[in-house]
Amino acid sequence: KAGVTQTPRYLIKTRGQQVTLSCSPISGHRSVSWYQQTPGQGLQFLFEYFSETQRNKGNFPGRFSGRQFSNSRSEMNVSTLELGDSALYLCASSLDGPSYEQYFGPGTRLTVT
Amino acid sequence: ELKVEQNPLFLSMQEGKNYTIYCNYSTTSDRLYWYRQDPGKSLESLFVLLSNGAVKQEGRLMASLDTKARLSTLHITAAVHDLSATYFCAVDPTFYGGATNKLIFGTGTLLAVQP
Repeated sequence: KAGVTQTPRYLIKTRGQQVTLSCSPISGHRSVSWYQQTPGQGLQFLFEYFSETQRNKGNFPGRFSGRQFSNSRSEMNVSTLELGDSALYLCASSLDGPSYEQYFGPGTRLTVT
Repeated sequence: ELKVEQNPLFLSMQEGKNYTIYCNYSTTSDRLYWYRQDPGKSLESLFVLLSNGAVKQEGRLMASLDTKARLSTLHITAAVHDLSATYFCAVDPTFYGGATNKLIFGTGTLLAVQP
């Protein structure tokens, strides 16, 4: 079974631009979560989608948004990029059940200059 | 606000020694996860602990969960260099018994095993 895939793997953007990251979950997984990892703040939850609906949201500004498609693939968008948005963005997928676990993708390394 | 604290933050140990990483959390949860991360890599799932008293072992690693004390431990037995990595615990703040899929991560423990 293929794992979680994320594209692109690396990205360099300029302040003020916007960016879209993509995540394809493991086949059959309907929950997709996004996390941001930085040296200063560690791993922080961004949001979670299930069946095209955002179920949970972390404490990030409105510049961070996401969506999920009917095939469970998810995208996250960051508008008006700031230097502090440079991070590793990880998505994770899981089955939605009582004893699931979250499987993480390889991540997208975003650098904002 | 849910807080997850790990200690130590950095652990340098010699091969063959034993040590324990501690993970304390501040709210009700019966879902705790341990992950490993190698430099520049993603997170690899090690253990999922779903109930009080749960204990799981894989190779030289053993994890346990005490939901009453809000404490999980990751015990390393006879460390080898290949175990060098950063280890994270993460808690899912269960909501009326249901998972939220919103993991709150600890700060991580950087483990360096010296030959």
